[in-house]
Amino acid sequence: DQQVKQNSPSLSVQEGRISILNCDYTNSMFDYFLWYKKYPAEGPTFLISISSIKDKNEDGRFTVFLNKSAKHLSLHIVPSQPGDSAVYFCAASAGDGSQGNLIFGKGTKLSVKP
Amino acid sequence: DTGVSQNPRHKITKRGQNVTFRCDPISEHNRLYWYRQTLGQGPEFLTYFQNEAQLEKSRLLSDRFSAERPKGSFSTLEIQRTEQGDSAMYLCASSLEGWTEAFFGQGTRLTVV
Repeated sequence: DQQVKQNSPSLSVQEGRISILNCDYTNSMFDYFLWYKKYPAEGPTFLISISSIKDKNEDGRFTVFLNKSAKHLSLHIVPSQPGDSAVYFCAASAGDGSQGNLIFGKGTKLSVKP
Repeated sequence: DTGVSQNPRHKITKRGQNVTFRCDPISEHNRLYWYRQTLGQGPEFLTYFQNEAQLEKSRLLSDRFSAERPKGSFSTLEIQRTEQGDSAMYLCASSLEGWTEAFFGQGTRLTVV
């Protein structure tokens, strides 16, 4: 059973518009969430995280929203740029993110068209 | 520091052979993780070290898999009697404090023929 689900395998967005990537989780013990970006032939790169005590975290063009009651989080990229084209993984951890393993979703491939 | 280094980048082996991968973490990082990623899936946790101690192992890590981190520096992941289902990208990550500071290597792609 998948504890972290990214139901959209792919997303295509025009440059300059907003990209919204969604993630759902089932395990109520998860309380720390991260987004990673992965280019082909490279390892995943940490993008942004959020603790369950918050409902929003912002870093430049990237904002993550967390809705605990719905067990849903989303990553907003505004404005989207062609260099953002990559696979985005949502990941979750039980704890404060300082140890243990991460549970990853299957990823969403984002294509930003010029 | 050049980041997390994994060797080899690619490995093709015949079924039944043993393979060993190496991960060199960022030098001051005391935490080291191994993950496996198959096509169309996200990375799956295999095992985790803090310094030289192996603190957590996934049930994915069957008896054919063994990981070590002698002296708390580099780590090796060995797969004995490889099977076709072992074909995957094996990723290593390291961090000092937690996941927000963790860096992944480029991975080792294993193909078992």
